Amino acid sequence: AQSVTQLGSHVSVSEGALVLLRCNYSSSVPPYLFWYVQYPNQGLQLLLKYTSAATLVKGINGFEAEFKKSETSFHLTKPSAHMSDAAEYFCAVSDITGGFKTIFGAGTRLFVKA
Amino acid sequence: DADVTQTPRNRITKTGKRIMLECSQTKGHDRMYWYRQDPGLGLRLIYYSFDVKDINKGEISDGYSVSRQAQAKFSLSLESAIPNQTALYFCATSEPGQGETGELFFGEGSRLTVL
Repeated sequence: AQSVTQLGSHVSVSEGALVLLRCNYSSSVPPYLFWYVQYPNQGLQLLLKYTSAATLVKGINGFEAEFKKSETSFHLTKPSAHMSDAAEYFCAVSDITGGFKTIFGAGTRLFVKA
Repeated sequence: DADVTQTPRNRITKTGKRIMLECSQTKGHDRMYWYRQDPGLGLRLIYYSFDVKDINKGEISDGYSVSRQAQAKFSLSLESAIPNQTALYFCATSEPGQGETGELFFGEGSRLTVL
């Protein structure tokens, strides 16, 4: 069965610092992997997705993530945090054995300090 | 206008009351989902529907029911609401077929409080 583990329910960084949000997944077949972002009082929107093409995936707002099969990881990074990046971030996985139903991690709330 | 619209956006109700949350979409997607979000638990799947005649239970369907009235409409009902159903509920859609990945398109959520 698929599963997703996000390490750290809260991450705090200073403005301009590196953002690193960690995600590990479990899937018996090649997965599709996603990062979604939720701003306050809003729904979730797709930040980026891995669909078995390039292992380094670039998303919106300067975020990127690298698929590492050997580590079953899909960590999200951004070189320089901005105040507007403060939000909750969800890692998610789907695959064909699950009928492409998406399983979410518990989420990581990112705080950005001025 | 939003592609996936949920109503109501906020609702406060009392234990034992029947509640319906409605979702409509203009994306033309066959697949629709209801998720529940709780702090520290992420999003958990309640029910999903792959087309009008197809309804499936997710991981936490107890206490909930759904109706797929049309391709564009998928409603979630709580027959007798209880306080631990207080949560943020999301409707989502996805597009099946070749190139399917499971990418979801979300509504803005319905915040339900059961007193």
